[in-house]
Order: sequence, then structure tokens, then C-alpha cells
Amino acid sequence: DQQVKQNSPSLSVQEGRISILNCDYTNSMFDYFLWYKKYPAEGPTFLISISSIKDKNEDGRFTVFLNKSAKHLSLHIVPSQPGDSAVYFCAASAPNNDMRFGAGTRLTVKP
Amino acid sequence: DAEITQSPRHKITETGRQVTLACHQIWNHNNMFWYRQDLGHGLRLIHYSYGVHDTNKGEVSDGYSVSRSNTEDLPLTLESAASSQTSVYFCASSGQFGNTIYFGEGSWLTVV
Repeated sequence: DQQVKQNSPSLSVQEGRISILNCDYTNSMFDYFLWYKKYPAEGPTFLISISSIKDKNEDGRFTVFLNKSAKHLSLHIVPSQPGDSAVYFCAASAPNNDMRFGAGTRLTVKP
Repeated sequence: DAEITQSPRHKITETGRQVTLACHQIWNHNNMFWYRQDLGHGLRLIHYSYGVHDTNKGEVSDGYSVSRSNTEDLPLTLESAASSQTSVYFCASSGQFGNTIYFGEGSWLTVV
């Protein structure tokens, strides 16, 4: 029962363009959403988060959008840089602190 | 940021052996988690703990156990290792009132 889904296993964009990574969830109890970035042979690192009371959170080149009615969130990276190439995991947590992750999307930013 | 260390970082073991992966965090976080990462599945929760002597099963807990005798450590034990448990294991922790969790660098386990 995958409660958090990332339907695109990979994404390739040109340097300087926008990267849009998508995530869908099924559990209406989730109230906090996060994006993690993972390089090979390293642990995931926290990137950006959003609470369910907001629909947008911005941090530099990274913006997360939340559409609660559609149970959908997305991560926008503008402009994309080669150093952004990594696997991005979407995560969602419920009030009991149980956090679930999507399968990840591998982003490749081409110079 | 939290600092979490995992050991061993790499291990090869035989089917049927008992294996323990150690996890130590220095920030006195109450919440600790074990995930495994497999291609196509992302990060799946194995076990988690909200404090000393508290343990809970996650999505894929069969064949694994944890114990929490102090705040800093949450060792993960594979009672009888199986080839299906070949994976990368990540330990994580979070503070009591925060939702952001911080990960260790991972332990690569191969069961042959």
C-alpha cells in the first residue's frame, strides 16, 4: 500500500531550465510534506518542506506547491543546475510522526 | 543539523546469520527510524521508536527487530538474514516537536 507515489522514475532537463518533480499521496491524514535529495553513496538530505496549512513554500531556487484537494505536491527548481542531479524523494508525515516516502525521481540536469 | 552514524557501512553475510546494524545519534532526538532503500520502492519504514523502551513496526518489519535501551542508539537486528534483505539501510532521527528527519549515511548489506 504505497501512500506516497512518485510516478516518474526519471527526469532530464537542460541546465538553466525549470525542473518539476511531482508527487501524489492517498492518506488524508498527512499534514506535513517534505522533499529530500539523495546523492549516490550518501544518506538523503532534507531540502524543503510545507505544512498542509500552506499551498506554497519557497527557498531560493526551490519551491514546493501543495494542492490538498488533489492530494498532489510538486517541487520546482529554477534555474536547474548540474549539481542538482540527484534522486529526489517526496515524503509525507501524519500527526503521529510516521513518515512515508515515495519511490524517488532521478533528476539529471544536462550542461 | 543532526549527526547520525551507522556501522558497519558495508557488510557481507551468509543466509541464516544474525546481523546487527548500529545507529547512534548525538542530538538526543526522541524519534528514531530505520528505513531500507530498494530500487522501485524508495525508502520503506522498517521499525521506529518514539523514546526509550518504545518500538513500533513499520511497513516492512518482518525479519527485523529493534531495541531502544537509551536515547542515542537504535540497533537493527536481522534475526536470520535472507537474500531478500540485501539492501541499503538508513537510520534516521527527529526531535520530538519537529517533523524533519535527518538520515545517516547508510549501511550496505549483502546477504549471500
